[in-house]
Amino acid sequence: KAGVTQTPRYLIKTRGQQVTLSCSPISGHRSVSWYQQTPGQGLQFLFEYFSETQRNKGNFPGRFSGRQFSNSRSEMNVSTLELGDSALYLCASSPGQVYNEQFFGPGTRLTVL
Amino acid sequence: AQSVTQLDSQVPVFEEAPVELRCNYSSSVSVYLFWYVQYPNQGLQLLLKYLSGSTLVKGINGFEAEFNKSQTSFHLRKPSVHISDTAEYFCAVSEPNFGNEKLTFGTGTRLTIIP
Repeated sequence: KAGVTQTPRYLIKTRGQQVTLSCSPISGHRSVSWYQQTPGQGLQFLFEYFSETQRNKGNFPGRFSGRQFSNSRSEMNVSTLELGDSALYLCASSPGQVYNEQFFGPGTRLTVL
Repeated sequence: AQSVTQLDSQVPVFEEAPVELRCNYSSSVSVYLFWYVQYPNQGLQLLLKYLSGSTLVKGINGFEAEFNKSQTSFHLRKPSVHISDTAEYFCAVSEPNFGNEKLTFGTGTRLTIIP
């Protein structure tokens, strides 16, 4: 099976812009979670989607949003970018029922100038 | 709320020596515990997990960890490290929630193997 894929791998934006990141889960997985990784804050949970519904949400401002499509692919959007949004954004997928291991993608490195 | 503490931000170890990476957690309920490894410019790879049962858990690449409920710890060990083990290691916890588990990570421990 192909692993979790994330596009693009690298992105450079300027303050005030918005950005959309994409995640394709492992085939058959219905749950997609997003995490932000920064040197200062470490790995922090953003949100999780299951069958197109947001099931869980972390403590991030409303500028961070996401969605999931019927094929389980997920997108994450950040509006009005700030310098502090520079980070590695990781996506993880799992089957999503009872406990399942989360499989991580390689991440998207976002740099905000 | 759950939390994870990794006391050592960096651990240098000579090649072929043993290593222990420490992890303590805090939670008011039963937990699932994990160790992940991250190589440069890559995502996270699961090394091992504790869900229930035996408190000694064996993982990939020769790593193992022991769940100690009384000390709320889940330390990672390897008897003999290799250069290829150089990476960042993250301990994580989640609370069982019918598939709706979110991972809370520690701040990571950078393991450097000295030839």
